[in-house]
Amino acid sequence: GAVVSQHPSWVICKSGTSVKIECRSLDFQATTMFWYRQFPKQSLMLMATSNEGSKATYEQGVEKDKFLINHASLTLSTLTVTSAHPEDSSFYICSASPGQDNEQFFGPGTRLTVL
Amino acid sequence: GQQLNQSPQSMFIQEGEDVSMNCTSSSIFNTWLWYKQDPGEGPVLLIALYKAGELTSNGRLTAQFGITRKDSFLNISASIPSDVGIYFCAGRSGSARQLTFGSGTQLTVLP
Repeated sequence: GAVVSQHPSWVICKSGTSVKIECRSLDFQATTMFWYRQFPKQSLMLMATSNEGSKATYEQGVEKDKFLINHASLTLSTLTVTSAHPEDSSFYICSASPGQDNEQFFGPGTRLTVL
Repeated sequence: GQQLNQSPQSMFIQEGEDVSMNCTSSSIFNTWLWYKQDPGEGPVLLIALYKAGELTSNGRLTAQFGITRKDSFLNISASIPSDVGIYFCAGRSGSARQLTFGSGTQLTVLP
């Protein structure tokens, strides 16, 4: 149980294009999902907290107009990197929690490379 | 903001040896978690700690929640090749659901 999937697992795009990453909780409902970014040999940095049916809460320094988050259902959250640039190249990981008292379960990550 | 200092940054050990790594915080946490991340994958939860002083085991892994609530350690006994990976501590404070991650410990197990 508690499986989280991400799609795609990797994506290569040209600078200036937008990329959408999906995060799904496969066997549980998640009112809250989290989006992280991880650069090579670094730790996970929380970008935003995604709440079903409401606006995401972004961490300080994360541009909400560049990283659009939609959490339209209890099993799906999407992260759209708009007008991507090479410096946005990173490993994007989502996590989901079945409930307030449950820990986060992480997806397998999406490797984004912007040329 | 909150910071977690994790050490060591990397370790090279012989198969069969025991390993210890730890995290310290500048502030109090009410939850400590230990994750393992394999290359190109998301982190996988190993052990969760919820009470100061708590000592919890998961197979060859043992972790403790420090009495001061500002530190935690993870021990791996009798290491095997599949223990290779990056180990992260993570903490949560107050009623927040967000996690703060340590910088990670890269573990290499030599045959």
